[in-house]
Amino acid sequence: KAGVTQTPRYLIKTRGQQVTLSCSPISGHRSVSWYQQTPGQGLQFLFEYFSETQRNKGNFPGRFSGRQFSNSRSEMNVSTLELGDSALYLCASSLGRSENSPLHFGNGTRLTVT
Amino acid sequence: GIQVEQSPPDLILQEGANSTLRCNFSDSVNNLQWFHQNPWGQLINLFYIPSGTKQNGRLSATTVATERYSLLYISSSQTTDSGVYFCAVKNTGNQFYFGTGTSLTVIP
Repeated sequence: KAGVTQTPRYLIKTRGQQVTLSCSPISGHRSVSWYQQTPGQGLQFLFEYFSETQRNKGNFPGRFSGRQFSNSRSEMNVSTLELGDSALYLCASSLGRSENSPLHFGNGTRLTVT
Repeated sequence: GIQVEQSPPDLILQEGANSTLRCNFSDSVNNLQWFHQNPWGQLINLFYIPSGTKQNGRLSATTVATERYSLLYISSSQTTDSGVYFCAVKNTGNQFYFGTGTSLTVIP
């Protein structure tokens, strides 16, 4: 069974640009969540989707958005990039509602904003 | 949100030694997981353990939900155990909260 796939693995963008990251969950998993990891702030929750509906959202500005498609694949978008958005972005999938399901993470997308 | 504290922040072990990592959390949870982040950044799920004890090879974990803590035991450590260990907790309708991690270095 294929794991969680995130694309691209690395991305370099300029301030002010926007970026879209993609996440394909493990087959059969319906919940997808996104996290930002930085040395200063650690792992922070961005948002979670279940059956195409956003169920939870973390404390990030509106420049960060996401969506989930009917096949459970998810994308997150960051608009008007800032230097502080440089981070490792991790996607995780779980079988069902994440209250009682293990999380499985992808390899992440490392975003550098210059 | 839920505060998650992990200790110790850093740990250096000789290969073959045993260790205990601790995770304290500030509220009741119904989901607790331990992860290992390898040097390449990948987070591997070690245990889904909202309560009780589980073992997987040289690793075991215990969560005492009523006292709001969890322990991860690593026995006979190997260099491949190096990396950062994270605890993550969640309660109903909420998001996952991660601790700041324990950075483990195993020296040959």
